[in-house]
Amino acid sequence: DTGVSQNPRHKITKRGQNVTFRCDPISEHNRLYWYRQTLGQGPEFLTYFQNEAQLEKSRLLSDRFSAERPKGSFSTLEIQRTEQGDSAMYLCASSLDSLNSPLHFGNGTRLTVT
Amino acid sequence: SQKIEQNSEALNIQEGKTATLTCNYTNYSPAYLQWYRQDPGRGPVFLLLIRENEKEKRKERLKVTFDTTLKQSLFHITASQPADSATYLCALSNNAGNMLTFGGGTRLMVKP
Repeated sequence: DTGVSQNPRHKITKRGQNVTFRCDPISEHNRLYWYRQTLGQGPEFLTYFQNEAQLEKSRLLSDRFSAERPKGSFSTLEIQRTEQGDSAMYLCASSLDSLNSPLHFGNGTRLTVT
Repeated sequence: SQKIEQNSEALNIQEGKTATLTCNYTNYSPAYLQWYRQDPGRGPVFLLLIRENEKEKRKERLKVTFDTTLKQSLFHITASQPADSATYLCALSNNAGNMLTFGGGTRLMVKP
């Protein structure tokens, strides 16, 4: 068990560019989550997968954001036409498929949009 | 609207004392409450989970209480150490248990 892995650790991009982040969860975990965190705030829920199915998506998530988990293993989060307000830490977490299993977080991808 | 409130001001205490952090919530009926620790530049790490029908949970130097009448959880670290310095997040989940909503966190500084 190597934990949840996220790549890249840091991403600097210019406004208007597209970016994609990758998350590799703990191998036996069926559930995968994406959260966003800005400085001084708690993580904010973005979306949730059970295996390859995206079961919940935050109403705050704009159409520029899309997430996939094609084979129920790793996941990608894409942000199109980035804006400065997208600058944040993007956290991925995974858990077992049982009620209220704790979330295991990766160390995040820090996005800076200039 | 649903709100989870944690004290946004940092809590500074002396080594060896007990740290007590508060998590209050409104317009929410959580089935479970969890506490996480987060160090700078890292993802949160799970510490403890308490169910709505449990009053108290302990793990080593940690103790969590859950009062559904007051809509409050208290998180205690006894015999605190400088290594306990971090941000502590509380999180609530719905009955389906598939979505965790986090508070803003409280930063704890333990001085030697």
